[in-house]
Amino acid sequence: ETGVTQSPTHLIKTRGQQVTLRCSSQSGHNTVSWYQQALGQGPQFIFQYYREEENGRGNFPPRFSGLQFPNYSSELNVNALELDDSALYLCASSYGSGYGYTFGSGTRLTVV
Amino acid sequence: EDKVVQSPLSLVVHEGDTVTLNCSYEVTNFRSLLWYKQEKKAPTFLFMLTSSGIEKKSGRLSSILDKKELFSILNITATQTGDSAIYLCAVPTPYNQGGKLIFGQGTELSVKP
Repeated sequence: ETGVTQSPTHLIKTRGQQVTLRCSSQSGHNTVSWYQQALGQGPQFIFQYYREEENGRGNFPPRFSGLQFPNYSSELNVNALELDDSALYLCASSYGSGYGYTFGSGTRLTVV
Repeated sequence: EDKVVQSPLSLVVHEGDTVTLNCSYEVTNFRSLLWYKQEKKAPTFLFMLTSSGIEKKSGRLSSILDKKELFSILNITATQTGDSAIYLCAVPTPYNQGGKLIFGQGTELSVKP
């Protein structure tokens, strides 16, 4: 049973650029959620995808967008990067959105 | 607005000490509370609590939920340096409310030799 894999592990981008983060869900899981964790804070929910459709969204602007693919992997896209977007981005997969979340090791994004 | 609050935000202890971490919540349609340990990056699951007053235990870690007073505690006895981490509590919301986890700010625990 494979876990949740995220890529890349680290990324440095310039303000105004666009970035795509990737997540491979755990085998058997059909739901992927994305979280942003700023330094010293708990993770904040960005959105969730269930069977390729967005199921829920947190308080993030539209420049944060996502996709889920038929194999349940997912992408998080952020346009027009701002300095405050610097954070650890975590992906979690689950079977449904109840319990049993498995987290990936995250992507550390630095915007300069 | 739903919220989860943890205290203290940080804690420094010595090996062998016992620590108690607190998590209070105000979440509509509450069903369960989760505890995670975060070392470096990926949060790893510790406990899921659904019923008041029933202690969950795993080795030196234990946790209990009080649904009347809306809080949970995580106890770690005989702490070791390997317990140094951020401890997160989270409350899941139902699928029809976005299916998200509402996290607290975390408690950063540092265990000194």
